[in-house]
Amino acid sequence: EPEVTQTPSHQVTQMGQEVILRCVPISNHLYFYWYRQILGQKVEFLVSFYNNEISEKSEIFDDQFSVERPDGSNFTLKIRSTKLEDSAMYFCASTQGVFSYEQYFGPGTRLTVT
Amino acid sequence: DQQVKQNSPSLSVQEGRISILNCDYTNSMFDYFLWYKKYPAEGPTFLISISSIKDKNEDGRFTVFLNKSAKHLSLHIVPSQPGDSAVYFCAGYGNKLVFGAGTILRVKS
Repeated sequence: EPEVTQTPSHQVTQMGQEVILRCVPISNHLYFYWYRQILGQKVEFLVSFYNNEISEKSEIFDDQFSVERPDGSNFTLKIRSTKLEDSAMYFCASTQGVFSYEQYFGPGTRLTVT
Repeated sequence: DQQVKQNSPSLSVQEGRISILNCDYTNSMFDYFLWYKKYPAEGPTFLISISSIKDKNEDGRFTVFLNKSAKHLSLHIVPSQPGDSAVYFCAGYGNKLVFGAGTILRVKS
C-alpha cells in the first residue's frame, strides 16, 4: 500500500540553525500539507500546498518557514533560524484532492532544538 | 483555539465491549468530521469520516454519529479489540483539518 515517507525520523539542531525536513507524498496525490505536534499538545495545521503554491497557511507559519516541491516527488519544509519552541513532531500529509479531507500522514520527523 | 474538543483524555474498555469516544465542536462551518488513530512513533491514520449533512456513517466495526444540534460527534467501536489501543483524534474539516487533543483508548484483554 502506498504511503507517505519522511526523513529524517529525528533531527537535532542548535538554535539559530536552518533545518530542512523532507517528505515524499503518495505519488498520485496533488495536495500536500505540513502539521506539527508539540509534545503534549494538539496536532496543528501549518500549511497546505497545491500546484506549486501555498494555498493556506496558519499563523504559526511565519517568515521563518517555507515549503518547496523541488522535484516531482519531494516536498520540503524549511525552518530558517530555529528556535527552542520549534521543537516538535512535524508530520507531512497528502491527499488526491477529490476528498481532500481524507489526508494520509507520514510517520513524522521529531525536531529537537537545543 | 478550542474549535474541536475531546474532553476525555483516556478511556479503558474490556475486549469485546463497545468503546465510545466523544468529541464536541464549536465551528459550524466544518463540512466534514473525521476520526484518526495514532500509534506511538507513527503518524495519524485516517479511520472514518462523516459529512456534516449526515448523522451516521458505518465502516465495519467503526460507526461515527453526528448530532449537529448538539455539535457533538462520537465514534463507536464494536467489538473492541486489543489492537484498537491507540490515541484517537477527532478532527473537523472546512478548508483544513482542525484536530482535538486526542483520547487514549486502552482495550484490555
